[in-house]
Amino acid sequence: GQQVMQIPQYQHVQEGEDFTTYCNSSTTLSNIQWYKQRPGGHPVFLIQLVKSGEVKKQKRLTFQFGEAKKNSSLHITATQTTDVGTYFCVRTYKYIFGTGTRLKVLA
Amino acid sequence: EPEVTQTPSHQVTQMGQEVILRCVPISNHLYFYWYRQILGQKVEFLVSFYNNEISEKSEIFDDQFSVERPDGSNFTLKIRSTKLEDSAMYFCASSEGDSHGYTFGSGTRLTVV
Repeated sequence: GQQVMQIPQYQHVQEGEDFTTYCNSSTTLSNIQWYKQRPGGHPVFLIQLVKSGEVKKQKRLTFQFGEAKKNSSLHITATQTTDVGTYFCVRTYKYIFGTGTRLKVLA
Repeated sequence: EPEVTQTPSHQVTQMGQEVILRCVPISNHLYFYWYRQILGQKVEFLVSFYNNEISEKSEIFDDQFSVERPDGSNFTLKIRSTKLEDSAMYFCASSEGDSHGYTFGSGTRLTVV
């Protein structure tokens, strides 16, 4: 179908450890967006990737778009407690949110 | 920083009643969206709105739902004959363009009892 799957569903890490969430689509994506939702909050736009193989960085966050434009990843280096939340990738075609990865960071 | 404003923040309604959720999108944004999120679960697309008409809607957005832009600033979601399973957080979002990032409001928590 039109699902956008993310793995893992949950991730607990010790503060300072790295974290990666993977986003996979069954269809080729024209672009992919990433959002962060803090507990009890609303999704907040982080970035959009458009080009095949594109890599973008925002401080400790690295976003990558797959060569085939069917997958994407978000990597956080040296997690902090402020990174806690659920990370969603979004396929803008048909406005589909991925299943999300909930990150907990243990101090 | 410009915000999307949603009211009320929490609405409790009796099953079978109609509710109207209100949103004020960012003023220069052209695209508006409604999403819902059942507690802690996936964010589900309901409808997108552009140029005063629905541009896309999901299977969830059936005859029970309608959207309106009654004036130049408000964007509303009406839910008729509410059911227990309509209980969720409803998020409004707006964007400059269909492939731009969405700015979400803080949501309306709807509880149907």
